[in-house]
Amino acid sequence: ELKVEQNPLFLSMQEGKNYTIYCNYSTTSDRLYWYRQDPGKSLESLFVLLSNGAVKQEGRLMASLDTKARLSTLHITAAVHDLSATYFCAVERSWTGNQFYFGTGTSLTVIP
Amino acid sequence: DVKVTQSSRYLVKRTGEKVFLECVQDMDHENMFWYRQDPGLGLRLIYFSYDVKMKEKGDIPEGYSVSREKKERFSLILESASTNQTSMYLCASSPTTMYNEQFFGPGTRLTVL
Repeated sequence: ELKVEQNPLFLSMQEGKNYTIYCNYSTTSDRLYWYRQDPGKSLESLFVLLSNGAVKQEGRLMASLDTKARLSTLHITAAVHDLSATYFCAVERSWTGNQFYFGTGTSLTVIP
Repeated sequence: DVKVTQSSRYLVKRTGEKVFLECVQDMDHENMFWYRQDPGLGLRLIYFSYDVKMKEKGDIPEGYSVSREKKERFSLILESASTNQTSMYLCASSPTTMYNEQFFGPGTRLTVL
């Protein structure tokens, strides 16, 4: 069974600081997705990482994928309050019909 | 924009009732999914479907069944609701393309009393 681990589970950071969320997974996969979820809302797609070495950036968020290390990172630069949310990574098992395995999520709170 | 809709945002049912959760997508996606989300457990896949009338079990199918009679509609059925099925239920759909980003509906928060 494919396992996906995120850390930290909870993150409280001050505005203006940088931090990284880590997503480790247990078996080979070339596709990884990052999602954001605001309280009481559904999941919103942030990044799609399709190959080893892929890097995507949107505003203060940057995601990268190292398939050899089975590791993806979501880096937050100069955090602002609007980034407060829960962030999930998901690994795709493409040989089983697009089945995703989700991490447990990282709850991020940005403090003014 | 892809739109995935779910029939109810909030639902309260009693133990033993049969419960239907409906999901509709408007982007002609082949794949559809049902997840449940519980605190500390992330999202867990219940069932998915890659074509009309096709279904595959996910990681936690016990106590659930699904129906996909039309491409745009995927229903989750709780045959006899139990309190441990109180949860947030999320539906998603995706195309079968180079990358298969899943698009999520707003969720149904089900409470079983």
